[in-house]
Amino acid sequence: EAGVTQFPSHSVIEKGQTVTLRCDPISGHDNLYWYRRVMGKEIKFLLHFVKESKQDESGMPNNRFLAERTGGTYSTLKVQPAELEDSGVYFCASSYKGRFQETQYFGPGTRLLVL
Amino acid sequence: GENVEQHPSTLSVQEGDSAVIKCTYSDSASNYFPWYKQELGKRPQLIIDIRSNVGEKKDQRIAVTLNKTAKHFSLHITETQPEDSAVYFCAARLNTGTASKLTFGTGTRLQVTL
Repeated sequence: EAGVTQFPSHSVIEKGQTVTLRCDPISGHDNLYWYRRVMGKEIKFLLHFVKESKQDESGMPNNRFLAERTGGTYSTLKVQPAELEDSGVYFCASSYKGRFQETQYFGPGTRLLVL
Repeated sequence: GENVEQHPSTLSVQEGDSAVIKCTYSDSASNYFPWYKQELGKRPQLIIDIRSNVGEKKDQRIAVTLNKTAKHFSLHITETQPEDSAVYFCAARLNTGTASKLTFGTGTRLQVTL
């Protein structure tokens, strides 16, 4: 079974540009999470989808970030316009739908550098 | 919301020694505590987890202990090997009755030297 995949693995953009990150969860996983790790800090929650619905978006930093999960499969996270402080590693994770299926499986991350 | 603190930030041990990483959490409603290992350039991988109805869990050289009263939990690695070198993250999850987010600590970089 394939794990969580993310694309691209790296992205270098200039301040003010737009970047779109993609996450493909494990097949059959209804829960999809986005997290971010800024250099040397904790892995911080951004938002949580259950199928195509946003269950919790309390971690989204501001309205420059837009996440979608059309059809309840893959998800995209768009940053527009990007700022220097958006640099970091963006992780996606997925988990099965059951209440007690807590294990979150992480993707390899997208390393974003905003210059 | 939940807050997780993790210590130490870096830890260097000699091969064969034990390593202990400690975390504290703030919300007594948290009931699930996973530990993730992230090797350089790879994804975070779950290595062990514990639920609040259990005080200790062991898997070969790795063990986790939980003290609900003090709201802290620890990762113990015995007989460390070079391949244990990685960044380790603790996390906590609130009991919301449904799947929900993890709150992570800041990570511990473990270096196992020969």
